[in-house]
Amino acid sequence: DAGVTQSPTHLIKTRGQQVTLRCSPKSGHDTVSWYQQALGQGPQFIFQYYEEEERQRGNFPDRFSGHQFPNYSSELNVNALLLGDSALYLCASSLVVIDGSGRGSDTRYFGPGTRLTVL
Amino acid sequence: AQSVTQLGSHVSVSEGALVLLRCNYSSSVPPYLFWYVQYPNQGLQLLLKYTSAATLVKGINDFEAEFKKSETSFHLTKPSAHMSDAAEYFCAVSIAFSGGGADGLTFGKGTHLIIQP
Repeated sequence: DAGVTQSPTHLIKTRGQQVTLRCSPKSGHDTVSWYQQALGQGPQFIFQYYEEEERQRGNFPDRFSGHQFPNYSSELNVNALLLGDSALYLCASSLVVIDGSGRGSDTRYFGPGTRLTVL
Repeated sequence: AQSVTQLGSHVSVSEGALVLLRCNYSSSVPPYLFWYVQYPNQGLQLLLKYTSAATLVKGINDFEAEFKKSETSFHLTKPSAHMSDAAEYFCAVSIAFSGGGADGLTFGKGTHLIIQP
């Protein structure tokens, strides 16, 4: 069973360009989230997709947008790149399981990430 | 909004010694809590999670963590450190789901664990 996969592994862009990163979730998972991890920092939540819609968004500008396809794979798009967008971009997939008390629970699996460098 | 504070950006222990990584959280509703490990140039691997069942949670590689609501803490421990445990460790929190989705994780800044031979 393949885990979460991301492409490309590394990417170099220049300021002002646009970039698209891709994520394939773990088999059976229907929720995909994206995170930005700057060097030496913890990951920051960008947004989450479920049923092809953006369900939740972190504190990121509209330059960051995404999409989820019917097969649950996802893309992260970043427009008008800034130097500060240089980071490791992580994708996580999950599947919610409802326990006996009606409370949801999930295990989020992370991909290896895409290292974006903006020059 | 939730938040996580990891005390100590770097922790150094001797091989075979007890590992203790501290995490305190803030949440206005019952939280879900996670510990992840990250090796250099890799993604995050889940060590363990707390989802309101047992307060003492056992994870992989002999790691465990105890949820203490009164102290708003979720510290990670391991009885005996191995050289292979050297990595970055992240504590994370999320809150209850809203029907069919899972809320985004809020991470701490991480603790770099150094194992001395």
